[in-house]
Amino acid sequence: KNEVEQSPQNLTAQEGEFITINCSYSVGISALHWLQQHPGGGIVSLFMLSSGKKKHGRLIATINIQEKHSSLHITASHPRDSAVYICAVFPLAGGTSYGKLTFGQGTILTVHP
Amino acid sequence: DSGVTQTPKHLITATGQRVTLRCSPRSGDLSVYWYQQSLDQGLQFLIHYYNGEERAKGNILERFSAQQFPDLHSELNLSSLELGDSALYFCASSVGSSGGGDTQYFGPGTRLTVL
Repeated sequence: KNEVEQSPQNLTAQEGEFITINCSYSVGISALHWLQQHPGGGIVSLFMLSSGKKKHGRLIATINIQEKHSSLHITASHPRDSAVYICAVFPLAGGTSYGKLTFGQGTILTVHP
Repeated sequence: DSGVTQTPKHLITATGQRVTLRCSPRSGDLSVYWYQQSLDQGLQFLIHYYNGEERAKGNILERFSAQQFPDLHSELNLSSLELGDSALYFCASSVGSSGGGDTQYFGPGTRLTVL
């Protein structure tokens, strides 16, 4: 079992829909990242969070440390949101994975006009 | 544009060869990270340097090595290349030394094809 699991793997939506991508992890972490990878391959950091909720424009990220779960929400989705969304966790000190960002397999989002 | 530059953009080479990938971090960033993205493995952390010193090592093969120079640019050397080394190699940078505790800024990547 991977340390970081994302769901769904693929997501298709119509423009304007509310979208949720989920990320579950199995290790204690000090931070969680949401990344966006464009069809051309470039990667952009969307959020880094260790508790609570962050908002940037139409994007909202939440994390529940106790439940080891994070969600990325996109409100009023648009075709330009089509991309791969990747969750990554930074494990707590003391474990074998400390110092190493560990990635989920990504969620492929396609938004149709 | 993240401010992180990587060269070359594309690299095609043969099995057994050696290549060097180069990364220049954003101005002011002291940390450089290398990642490999292949179709079957997804994104994987390779190595992290902070101000010239190795801070963490991931699943980096012994055939691969990296270093960060005094001007903070970094190079990833891949030798005895195999078909399975074909992948996108990303470099990222951040201000601090905490690894995944900082926001990281990714370069455009180098696409390596081993024939």
